[in-house]
Amino acid sequence: GAVVSQHPSRVICKSGTSVKIECRSLDFQATTMFWYRQFPKQSLMLMATSNEGSKATYEQGVEKDKFLINHASLTLSTLTVTSAHPEDSSFYICSAKGGGRPLHFGNGTRLTVT
Amino acid sequence: DQQVKQNSPSLSVQEGRISILNCDYTNSMFDYFLWYKKYPAEGPTFLISISSIKDKNEDGRFTVFLNKSAKHLSLHIVPSQPGDSAVYFCAASVSGNTGKLIFGQGTTLQVKP
Repeated sequence: GAVVSQHPSRVICKSGTSVKIECRSLDFQATTMFWYRQFPKQSLMLMATSNEGSKATYEQGVEKDKFLINHASLTLSTLTVTSAHPEDSSFYICSAKGGGRPLHFGNGTRLTVT
Repeated sequence: DQQVKQNSPSLSVQEGRISILNCDYTNSMFDYFLWYKKYPAEGPTFLISISSIKDKNEDGRFTVFLNKSAKHLSLHIVPSQPGDSAVYFCAASVSGNTGKLIFGQGTTLQVKP
């Protein structure tokens, strides 16, 4: 069964609103979680790395004020897309690592901004 | 700047034959490579990996070959099965299996019965 749960799987929101995506490790403590974004027919692009209890490390070109990442506990990280615009429409996916477990990915979230 | 490239967007193979998926990389600092398989509406699942100190790793029907001088790796699936039909991503990391991965664009494999 899934060891990393991502919610919601799909979300449609209006331009200007904010959307929160959750990533949970189900049976292990994820000391590190990663957030990726995928455009159609392109690779998964790493957006940021988050370690529990500390600020996320963002990749070059990723706006930290737009993509807020919180990793408040060892089993939960959230990505909030603030003031979403149509160009933010994409597939967002998280992965989690910790406790000697191999890296596991969530099933992703399809965000559509209208 | 695409550091990991999968130049074939798709591949079609007959059941029972060998599937060869290719991946090239540009960053010589990469020292750990992985292959992931992804079905629609699901996250990538780990398939097989290889450290840069090796040139081959085998796991059942799956073998990954690494040619460091050419900065090229390939995934061989033999025999191919219809259930192998999926998108395959090549990924690379620096400083071992840290989880911070650079992905290729993916290759869609179709195995025909």
